[in-house]
Order: sequence, then structure tokens, then C-alpha cells
Amino acid sequence: QLQLQESGPGLVKPSETLSLTCTVSGGSISSTNHYWGWIRQPPGKGLEWIGSIYYSGSTYYNPSLKSRVLISVDTSKNQFSLKVSSVTAADTAVYYCARPAVPGDHWYFDLWGRGTLVTVSS
Amino acid sequence: DIVMTQSPDSLAVSLGERATINCKSSQSVLYSANNKNYLAWYQQKPGQPPKLLIYWASTRESGVPDRFSGSGSGTDFTLTISSLQAEDVAIYYCQQYYSTPGGFTFGQGTRLEIK
Repeated sequence: QLQLQESGPGLVKPSETLSLTCTVSGGSISSTNHYWGWIRQPPGKGLEWIGSIYYSGSTYYNPSLKSRVLISVDTSKNQFSLKVSSVTAADTAVYYCARPAVPGDHWYFDLWGRGTLVTVSS
Repeated sequence: DIVMTQSPDSLAVSLGERATINCKSSQSVLYSANNKNYLAWYQQKPGQPPKLLIYWASTRESGVPDRFSGSGSGTDFTLTISSLQAEDVAIYYCQQYYSTPGGFTFGQGTRLEIK
């Protein structure tokens, strides 16, 4: 059974770079035609898509975050990663990795990690 | 961007009663080529990730109780819980996936509580 697990520091200082990794278990990240995504949720607020990556490295980013976000993939480790630079308190959120239910371009998500809270504070 | 607006923001319903949550998109999410509405519903309980309930506006995800149903087309959609159970207390989100790739957006969420 395919599972996703986020990992990374829970506390990041303002102006620094947030780095998270999503480990895929129970299947290969490169065996399907899915894009693998990052979605975040500030405390008490709604969901915001950050970006997504294909196992080949092709990426799509939310235009509102694109200048600060980098998503990469390591197929040998069955992982994909997120970096958000120049963070502020507004980047404090639960960060989820997720996979769409079906391959292709139209993404609704049936598989989510448990999420990891990242707090931006000095 | 397609803006998704849910109503109400919060809702209190008695156990066993019907709960109705609305979702309106700023433009149609009906794709004329296949006559499908690119609209999903999720349930999120505290401390958990969202759980997919409904996709294609009205198709129930496997394992979702049949008291959950989705309806609507174009720009106006509804999630209905026919007989509210205690375990249905959660925040519910709609999401359009018409815009591609990656242009999908969520509604702001509706908090459902027991009256």
C-alpha cells in the first residue's frame, strides 16, 4: 500500500530556507505517470497548493510562490523534496505531500502524507 | 484563477438530520468535451490530512458512506450528508481541478458541527 511521509525541521528562522522531504513507500515514485505534490495549510486556514513534480523532474509551481520555491526528485531514494526560501511567519503551516488520484493533468488527491508543521520564528 | 466560494462558513446540524454545504466557482468547471464537472469534495478532521469524498462532482470515493452525496453542475455544487453522524464533524472543502496543470484551487472550507 502506497504511503507518503513528510520529514524535516519543525522550526525555521525568518529569512532562511525551509526544506522538507517526502518519502514514498510501498511503491516506486517513477512507476506511475503521476505528478507528486506539496500542499500547505496555515494554522486554522485553508489549503494552498505549492507545486508538483514528475519523476522525470518536470515541475509546476503556484505562481504566487514560484519565485521562492524549488521542488526536486530523487528516484534512487524514492523521495521528492521542497525548498522555500526567504521564509516569513506567513509560511508557518502544516505541509503535506500528496499524490493525485489519477495520472494526467487534472489533479484531485486521494493520497496524502500525515503532514508536518513548520513554524517560522526566531 | 478560478475562485471557489463555499457557504456557509460554519453549520450546526442535529444528529440524524440533513447537512448541506454549497460551493460556487467563479467560472464553469464543466468541460463540454466530456460533460464532466471537475469538482471534488474533501473532509478534514482535526490533526488529519484531507480525505477525498467525492470527485467528478458526484462520484463517491471507494469506502465513503452513501449518506454523502454530491450534486450540481457548471458553477454551483452541493455536498449533502443525508443523516448526520457524530463522526461527520469536520471541515469540508471543495476543490476545482478544471484548471491545469496545477491551477486547481480550494474553497475556504465549511466547519460542520453538531447542534
